[in-house]
Amino acid sequence: DAGVIQSPRHEVTEMGQEVTLRCKPISGHDYLFWYRQTMMRGLELLIYFNNNVPIDDSGMPEDRFSAKMPNASFSTLKIQPSEPRDSAVYFCASSPPAGLGNTIYFGEGSWLTVV
Amino acid sequence: QKEVEQDPGPLSVPEGAIVSLNCTYSNSAFQYFMWYRQYSRKGPELLMYTYSSGNKEDGRFTAQVDKSSKYISLFIRDSQPSDSATYLCAMGHNQGGKLIFGQGTELSVKP
Repeated sequence: DAGVIQSPRHEVTEMGQEVTLRCKPISGHDYLFWYRQTMMRGLELLIYFNNNVPIDDSGMPEDRFSAKMPNASFSTLKIQPSEPRDSAVYFCASSPPAGLGNTIYFGEGSWLTVV
Repeated sequence: QKEVEQDPGPLSVPEGAIVSLNCTYSNSAFQYFMWYRQYSRKGPELLMYTYSSGNKEDGRFTAQVDKSSKYISLFIRDSQPSDSATYLCAMGHNQGGKLIFGQGTELSVKP
């Protein structure tokens, strides 16, 4: 399997612009997670889906952030408008159905810089 | 107080040393305990997985879970320069649900 695929790998954008991050989970996995990693706060869970349905979005910082999962093989994380404090690495991850293990598999990350 | 506490280091050891990495946690409902390794500019990758208390060994790596003390450890024997990475502990209480991660400990193994 190709693993979790994220795009873009790197993005530099100006404050106020819309940013869309994309993710393709591992085939057969029914959990999808969006994490954010910074030096100060470490790896934080933003939102996760099960069978395309958002289960817990309590980690989403504010209304500027939104995430969708229109089907089992695609998810987006959108920031609008972006701010410099959103600069971080955003990881998408997926895991198999409950009963097949609780392990999460990460993508390579999307490195976002907002200037 | 964070649910999971981990000393961020950095930790620097000579090649061949035994490395001990630790995490404490506050949520007694956690049942699944993992260690992830993250190389620079890469995503975290699963290293060890343990369910409930006890030890698990895989080659040079040993994971220990002490639920009574809410304390987990990762030991690396005969450490190698290739072990230089950030090690993150993670834990969850629902199979298939979310994981809570520690801050990560940056390890450097010097030749």
